[in-house]
Amino acid sequence: NAGVTQTPKFQVLKTGQSMTLQCAQDMNHEYMSWYRQDPGMGLRLIHYSVGAGITDQGEVPNGYNVSRSTTEDFPLRLLSAAPSQTSVYFCASSYSRGVSGYTFGSGTRLTVV
Amino acid sequence: AQSVAQPEDQVNVAEGNPLTVKCTYSVSGNPYLFWYVQYPNRGLQFLLKYITGDNLVKGSYGFEAEFNKSQTSFHLKKPSALVSDSALYFCAVRDRTGTASKLTFGTGTRLQVTL
Repeated sequence: NAGVTQTPKFQVLKTGQSMTLQCAQDMNHEYMSWYRQDPGMGLRLIHYSVGAGITDQGEVPNGYNVSRSTTEDFPLRLLSAAPSQTSVYFCASSYSRGVSGYTFGSGTRLTVV
Repeated sequence: AQSVAQPEDQVNVAEGNPLTVKCTYSVSGNPYLFWYVQYPNRGLQFLLKYITGDNLVKGSYGFEAEFNKSQTSFHLKKPSALVSDSALYFCAVRDRTGTASKLTFGTGTRLQVTL
């Protein structure tokens, strides 16, 4: 049982480049989310999904797109990378409306130069 | 809007001593409350949760937390700290009426346990 798998683990982008952060879970969780972690700011919600075909914005959605075509996958797209998007990104999934706790991936460390 | 406050950036404690990591929250109605731990270069790991029932919740690795509704607090505790407990701890809250994925985190407290 792999849990939540995020790829890549590290990435360096140039300003203006686009890329997709991958997230996959094998627990049949309905709920999936993307967070970014910045020093002194905790984790902030970017986008989330309550099931395949359904997504919504979180606290800091600007500059990011998501889609949820399957239950397993929830990719995060950076449309035109900016230095302000330098961060550590975590994907999380949950079953039973989140009351059982969330499972996090190991993160993607993104640097935009 | 819901929010979480972790007033201490860092907590220092000697091994064998009790530890407390503080958390207060603000949410409409009754909350779901969580504690997570993050070790260096790792994702967050679930420690414990409060959903309903007994105000004292026991979790992984000997940690426990006490829910206090009147003080809107959910402090994390452990009777005897270990050096291996050194990590970054996050408190999180979601309200019962919101969607599951809208979990709001505190800014984190770094726990440093020394010999």
